[in-house]
Amino acid sequence: GAVVSQHPSRVICKSGTSVKIECRSLDFQATTMFWYRQFPKQSLMLMATSNEGSKATYEQGVEKDKFLINHASLTLSTLTVTSAHPEDSSFYICSARVGWGNTIYFGEGSWLTVV
Amino acid sequence: AQTVTQSQPEMSVQEAETVTLSCTYDTSENNYYLFWYKQPPSRQMILVIRQEAYKQQNATENRFSVNFQKAAKSFSLKISDSQLGDTAMYFCAFMKQRGGSGNTGKLIFGQGTTLQVKP
Repeated sequence: GAVVSQHPSRVICKSGTSVKIECRSLDFQATTMFWYRQFPKQSLMLMATSNEGSKATYEQGVEKDKFLINHASLTLSTLTVTSAHPEDSSFYICSARVGWGNTIYFGEGSWLTVV
Repeated sequence: AQTVTQSQPEMSVQEAETVTLSCTYDTSENNYYLFWYKQPPSRQMILVIRQEAYKQQNATENRFSVNFQKAAKSFSLKISDSQLGDTAMYFCAFMKQRGGSGNTGKLIFGQGTTLQVKP
């Protein structure tokens, strides 16, 4: 079946540095990709919606200058956490929509720890 | 705006028994999709079952079935013959159908229900 690959699965970075997380659709073209943040035992919180070749749409309360999203191709979206702080530590999940239908595939998620 | 509510934070069931997880939602849309996703300890989100709102017949996938009550805006998940591998967090989710205003394929999730299957 279709696969969405997210990399890295775990990353530790120092406070003040930037870190990039990649999300790739391996065998389909993703018109739209989504980035979520999930705290322990909580639901997925949508951060932004990313369409190929256009600017991402951020949810209310999400700092667009801190969480930079780029969707340069139909198979790749990246999330860059800039000037990371310990409170940015979390589990980040991407998902990709197949065409314009209702099929969504999720990446494996990325654990970010800021020390 | 659409909202999804799961009122059971935690549930448990004995192996081989049946359990039902509840979900209610609020929307003014007439055409939409509803989903149940499973998130095991690995954290990988797995689609369990999906329902198109225009279909009256309840969706089933092997041991998983839903009770979709459109008028009541209720979408419960029944797991039959529960197995240890069903232990996970379960999320109910809503998506507007294409053609609705502002539809981007965005999923709106409920708070989740943690299900523990006991041997």
